[in-house]
Amino acid sequence: GAGVSQTPSNKVTEKGKYVELRCDPISGHTALYWYRQSLGQGPEFLIYFQGTGAADDSGLPNDRFFAVRPEGSVSTLKIQRTERGDSAVYLCASSGLAGAGWGELFFGEGSRLTVL
Amino acid sequence: KQEVTQIPAALSVPEGENLVLNCSFTDSAIYNLQWFRQDPGKGLTSLLLIQSSQREQTSGRLNASLDKSSGRSTLYIAASQPGDSATYLCAVSGAQKLVFGQGTRLTINP
Repeated sequence: GAGVSQTPSNKVTEKGKYVELRCDPISGHTALYWYRQSLGQGPEFLIYFQGTGAADDSGLPNDRFFAVRPEGSVSTLKIQRTERGDSAVYLCASSGLAGAGWGELFFGEGSRLTVL
Repeated sequence: KQEVTQIPAALSVPEGENLVLNCSFTDSAIYNLQWFRQDPGKGLTSLLLIQSSQREQTSGRLNASLDKSSGRSTLYIAASQPGDSATYLCAVSGAQKLVFGQGTRLTINP
């Protein structure tokens, strides 16, 4: 596609529920990133995929968070047993080059998650 | 652990002024530095990318400089316009990921 697409744009859920957030990167981009942004803060790194594999998942806050990219294109961020503290905007980015050190990252509009 | 700081947190200036936004980082072993713009409720738009071997990049009214040895970057905006109002984020990269500052919220008053 023309840009990075994220769905849903807004998600409201209740504490304890399961949530999936989807990211469709720019066609042909091999690198995909998930970030989380709380109000008034800069984005915080969650996980980086190169192709189908997670090259760096050091930013995932705990084992309730999991992400997949089974075919090396679309990625899904999965959050189990959601907590109010998970409320944030979840941003996805892609790059045509391996690793953020080598190329420009292009971000989607984000998925705003609200846990009641 | 890389830490990125942006000063000031917020800035309000009259239209037409030239202004400078500051970014500092603790680990000078970076691959590149990017400046992004974020409008309220929106994603990030890349403005300028400076590779570690470069000193500056220019795009229109924007000029970004990088002094890797001192861990500093500046974003210079010339002849500011109300449409420049947004949050500006600085991010530095290791080999694999970007580390962001908290941003500077810029307001240009007509």
